[in-house]
Amino acid sequence: EDKVVQSPLSLVVHEGDTVTLNCSYEVTNFRSLLWYKQEKKAPTFLFMLTSSGIEKKSGRLSSILDKKELFSILNITATQTGDSAIYLCAVNSGGSNYKLTFGKGTLLTVNP
Amino acid sequence: DAGITQSPRHKVTETGTPVTLRCHQTENHRYMYWYRQDPGHGLRLIHYSYGVKDTDKGEVSDGYSVSRSKTEDFLLTLESATSSQTSVYFCALRTGRDTGELFFGEGSRLTVL
Repeated sequence: EDKVVQSPLSLVVHEGDTVTLNCSYEVTNFRSLLWYKQEKKAPTFLFMLTSSGIEKKSGRLSSILDKKELFSILNITATQTGDSAIYLCAVNSGGSNYKLTFGKGTLLTVNP
Repeated sequence: DAGITQSPRHKVTETGTPVTLRCHQTENHRYMYWYRQDPGHGLRLIHYSYGVKDTDKGEVSDGYSVSRSKTEDFLLTLESATSSQTSVYFCALRTGRDTGELFFGEGSRLTVL
């Protein structure tokens, strides 16, 4: 059974701090890893990673994948209160049909 | 953004009653998904569809059935709702062939009393 584990499950920081969120996985046929951000409603897409060692970056958010050690990290620098959300990691475990297995998420709270 | 609408957005029902949630897309995406989200469990896949009349089970499919008789609609049915099916249900489309992105609907909150 495919498994995606995120840590920590929750995190409280102050504005301006840098945070690192972790995602490890065990899947039978890895194709890609995706990060999503979920505020009050639906999850919204952040990044997709397929290759080890190549950083994806969007503003203050960045992510990298290590396919040898089977994990990914999501970094957020200079956090703002608007970064408060649940961050979800998902893995596409391949096969002929495309489906994502999600981790339980990390609840990030950024206090002013 | 992909046009995706879930209905109803909120529903309260009694144990043992049938419930159908509808997901409607205005584009022509092949893949559609139903997930449920519960505290402490994240998003779990219930069923998905990879074309008209082509569906498959996810990790938590027991007690649920789906149908896709046309491209734009993907229905999730609880034949006899139970309290354990109280949840927020999200429909999603695979919109990014290259990015692999799933685009999510706004969610349907179901409460089974």
